[in-house]
Amino acid sequence: DPKIIQKPKYLVAVTGSEKILICEQYLGHNAMYWYRQSAKKPLEFMFSYSYQKLMDNQTASSRFQPQSSKKNHLDLQITALKPDDSATYFCASSPGAGGVSNERLFFGHGTKLSVL
Amino acid sequence: TQTVSQSDAHVTVFEGDSVELRCNYSYGGSIYLSWYIQHHGHGLQFLLKYYSGNPVVQGVNGFEAEFSKSDSSFHLRKASVHWSDSAVYFCAVSAGSSGNKLIFGIGTLLSVKP
Repeated sequence: DPKIIQKPKYLVAVTGSEKILICEQYLGHNAMYWYRQSAKKPLEFMFSYSYQKLMDNQTASSRFQPQSSKKNHLDLQITALKPDDSATYFCASSPGAGGVSNERLFFGHGTKLSVL
Repeated sequence: TQTVSQSDAHVTVFEGDSVELRCNYSYGGSIYLSWYIQHHGHGLQFLLKYYSGNPVVQGVNGFEAEFSKSDSSFHLRKASVHWSDSAVYFCAVSAGSSGNKLIFGIGTLLSVKP
């Protein structure tokens, strides 16, 4: 059973629209993250949350907004979608607070977003 | 600023061969180094990590990696690969002060032929 659930697995959107990527983890972890994997680029850190509070934000655009309604949820809202946003978005979690540096990350299977 | 370089985009070996996947990093301070594996269509899975102590660290499924400060490297090795080891391998670093913000390399695709 996957312990980190990302929905949907595939998502097609039109330019200018808004989408929400869902992430729930059932590992009892306190820290959650979003990473993006674009074609032919390294996996890129976007956000980290600890106890539902934003710890770090490396995404320049305000079009990307994480939303944490519960400790085990970290959704990603993307507005005014552009073709360059096409990527696979991975949610991850780790046991402790986000400030601990040597924790292994547990990744979901990803949401592949295609913006036409 | 930390950077990670994986010089081999694609490595092909036969089942039973040994393999070394290379990773070089640049950063002046204390860092954490790790390797992750990604099978096609799946998320990344942790293999192993290093911060201090014995420079050779053991991971899952017979993988090990060796840290070298002089070479700024953290190469991944396996003595005898299996076809199921075919996947993309990512090296990652994080600075001691950056929490779990991992900086990933571009990845190395390992293809294991029967």
